[in-house]
Amino acid sequence: DGGITQSPKYLFRKEGQNVTLSCEQNLNHDAMYWYRQDPGQGLRLIYYSQIVNDFQKGDIAEGYSVSREKKESFPLTVTSAQKNPTAFYLCASRGALTEAFFGQGTRLTVV
Amino acid sequence: GQQLNQSPQSMFIQEGEDVSMNCTSSSIFNTWLWYKQDPGEGPVLLIALYKAGELTSNGRLTAQFGITRKDSFLNISASIPSDVGIYFCAGQLPGNQFYFGTGTSLTVIP
Repeated sequence: DGGITQSPKYLFRKEGQNVTLSCEQNLNHDAMYWYRQDPGQGLRLIYYSQIVNDFQKGDIAEGYSVSREKKESFPLTVTSAQKNPTAFYLCASRGALTEAFFGQGTRLTVV
Repeated sequence: GQQLNQSPQSMFIQEGEDVSMNCTSSSIFNTWLWYKQDPGEGPVLLIALYKAGELTSNGRLTAQFGITRKDSFLNISASIPSDVGIYFCAGQLPGNQFYFGTGTSLTVIP
């Protein structure tokens, strides 16, 4: 089946550790996005990539990093510099003539 | 980034009632999208609108792309318990960038 897959569904991180969230799509979409969602809040853009080997900062990029080495993959690293990382993280992808499709999300908790 | 004003923020309705929510922006968008998010899941696309004035239905859902291209609304008729969730609007600018509203949380009371 075609789609966009995020893993893991739940992730626990100790303070001071980096952690990487996976996002893979087999829709042949050029553009991929990472959003953060806090309880009762909307979606805030962290990073986006419109093509392989290129990405741009969104509204809340501080404390996060990404890479886009392959069209199918857009992993997000939450670094120790992110002071409040506990949140629900959503990955999306979009083709040139299509709407955005979302993964099922990763809930990150700092313990 | 761009701000989309979505209202109401939350709604509590009786099963069978109709629901209306809207989204406004200070910017002109080429496309308006409406998504639904169930708890703990990613948003799922409900309706996409591509032309000013366009009115599109998907079952009990109806959405319209405002004439000014700065607003959109979503109606749900005869609500049922599975309509519960958070509804997001999204506006798309030329190119691949799009922006989300703050969401409308819908609770349906049986």
